[in-house]
Formats: sequence, C-alpha cells, structure tokens
Amino acid sequence: GDSVTQMEGPVTLSEEAFLTINCTYTATGYPSLFWYVQYPGEGLQLLLKATKADDKGSNKGFEATYRKETTSFHLEKGSVQVSDSAVYFCALMNTGFQKLVFGTGTRLLVSP
Amino acid sequence: NAGVTQTPKFQVLKTGQSMTLQCAQDMNHNSMYWYRQDPGMGLRLIYYSASEGTTDKGEVPNGYNVSRLNKREFSLRLESAAPSQTSVYFCASSEGGAGGNYNEQFFGPGTRLTVL
Repeated sequence: GDSVTQMEGPVTLSEEAFLTINCTYTATGYPSLFWYVQYPGEGLQLLLKATKADDKGSNKGFEATYRKETTSFHLEKGSVQVSDSAVYFCALMNTGFQKLVFGTGTRLLVSP
Repeated sequence: NAGVTQTPKFQVLKTGQSMTLQCAQDMNHNSMYWYRQDPGMGLRLIYYSASEGTTDKGEVPNGYNVSRLNKREFSLRLESAAPSQTSVYFCASSEGGAGGNYNEQFFGPGTRLTVL
C-alpha cells in the first residue's frame, strides 16, 4: 500500500539556520503530496502542497518540490525562526478518495 | 467560524468503560474523518464519512464505532475501552467530492484520551 517515510527527529537548529526535512513516498499512480504542521497543543494545519510532478509548494518561507524520479518531497526553509518549532508531517493522497497517508512526523526545535 | 471543534479535550477512562468523542464542523463540509495519533506512528485513519449518511473503515477501525449524525457532526464511540486505545484523537473535515480532486482537510484541536 501507499506509505510515507520521514527522517526521524528531533531536528535541533539555531535561529536563522537552513532547514531540510526529508520525505520519500511509495504510491501507485500520481498522488498529491502535502506538508502539515502541528504546533504544541494544537491540531494539524496544512503548510503547503503539490499536486503533480515538478510542482513546488510554498508558504511562510517553506518550500517543497514534488520529485517523481526520486519519489521525494523534501521540506526546506532558508532561515528558521523560534516560532517554527513544531512537528512537521509529510503526507500523500492518492487519486480516488481523499484519504491522507501520513509519515511519522519530525519534531523541529529552534533555539534563539 | 469555529472550524472543527472536538469535545472533550481530555478524558481518563478505566478499562471496559465506554465513551463517545464528539466532533462538529461549521464549514458545510461533506467529508469527515477520525484519526488517532501515537508516538512514532504519525496519524492513522480510524473511520471516515465521505458524505452525510455514509461511513467507512479506515486503517485501524477495530474497537471503534462512528455515527454521522448529520452533515455537521461525526462522533466516535469506544464501547469497551482498552489501554491500547490511549492516544490523541483528531477529527478532520473537508469539502469532499468526486473525481479525485483534492480538498484540504481541516483538523480539530484533538482529544487526549488515557485508558487505565
């Protein structure tokens, strides 16, 4: 079945450092790919998405490019802030019905 | 607009007790979902409702039942709670629709359940 693999955390960075969180997927067909963010004590929020190969999703300084050849959707940000500390989930949705398949999540800790 | 609301926020049960988790959305969405979140496992789909009047099993349905009471409300019931059901439960909703079009899922704040 479909699956998503994320790098294990926590990822610990200093403010203004460059962030990469790796995500790879296994799926049949042409899934849509997503990054969700969960701030402490809250539910998940959609951060960005890409619906076809070579699409780049972006939001709040975060970017991810849908790479079909490497089945990857790595999350990047050029300069992280303390307020970016959260858990980040990579997810896919295959065509047909709108069921999301999540990775295990990666906790990001940013220190001043 | 409250979005997706869940009650209660926290609950402690003893093994064998029953309870119902409530979820409501005010976005006129067709589809609703229940997930559980466990450490190291991400979110796993328990049940979903594509539209009012329909429900289907997700990845981990055993030990749970659901009711789509109306378009707004989707409840999750534990008939006889077990320690393995200790988790954080999230409800979500989306516009839904046919043809494989993606609609963003909006999540509630979660219910933290402990079964002793």
